[in-house]
Amino acid sequence: LAKTTQPISMDSYEGQEVNITCSHNNIATNDYITWYQQFPSQGPRFIIQGYKTKVTNEVASLFIPADRKSSTLSLPRVSLSDTAVYYCLVVPDKLIFGTGTRLQVFP
Amino acid sequence: DADVTQTPRNRITKTGKRIMLECSQTKGHDRMYWYRQDPGLGLRLIYYSFDVKDINKGEISDGYSVSRQAQAKFSLSLESAIPNQTALYFCATSEQGDGNTIYFGEGSWLTVV
Repeated sequence: LAKTTQPISMDSYEGQEVNITCSHNNIATNDYITWYQQFPSQGPRFIIQGYKTKVTNEVASLFIPADRKSSTLSLPRVSLSDTAVYYCLVVPDKLIFGTGTRLQVFP
Repeated sequence: DADVTQTPRNRITKTGKRIMLECSQTKGHDRMYWYRQDPGLGLRLIYYSFDVKDINKGEISDGYSVSRQAQAKFSLSLESAIPNQTALYFCATSEQGDGNTIYFGEGSWLTVV
């Protein structure tokens, strides 16, 4: 099973770019990398998914190097409302969310 | 209306009581899941079901059981609740196939006293 490792917490200020890296050394050929965001007392919600190289949507960008053993979620110009926990998942897997990265954005 | 509905949203129960958390979805998804989240911690998978006839244990299935009554319904039971099962429980769904987005319900707060 592909296990993911990500920082427990990160701090940032409004307007800055935030990069959260996740390592998944045992990723399999058919695995996708997916990121979710969770606000307190709410269920996680999908942010972005990728297989390789770079994916961008209206919320974030996802960078995946050629070896796919890590990935970086990039949040451009964060605001206070981006304060949340961010989870990196490798799917298909046992849908293990882990502890995620707690991002705190300050004014 | 929410696509994934959990009931009850909040429940206080006593140690040793049986409690059932229900989940229904209107997304037409085959796959359904139950997760548990303890305060300040990540989500842990309890059980998952890939279709009506399929039930699988997750990371922490001990003390829990599930029933997939229909494609749209997946219930979680605590046969004899204990205080360390106090947590926020989430039901989730996804389409058949790998890599599909998981959609979560609003959660059910369960307190066992």
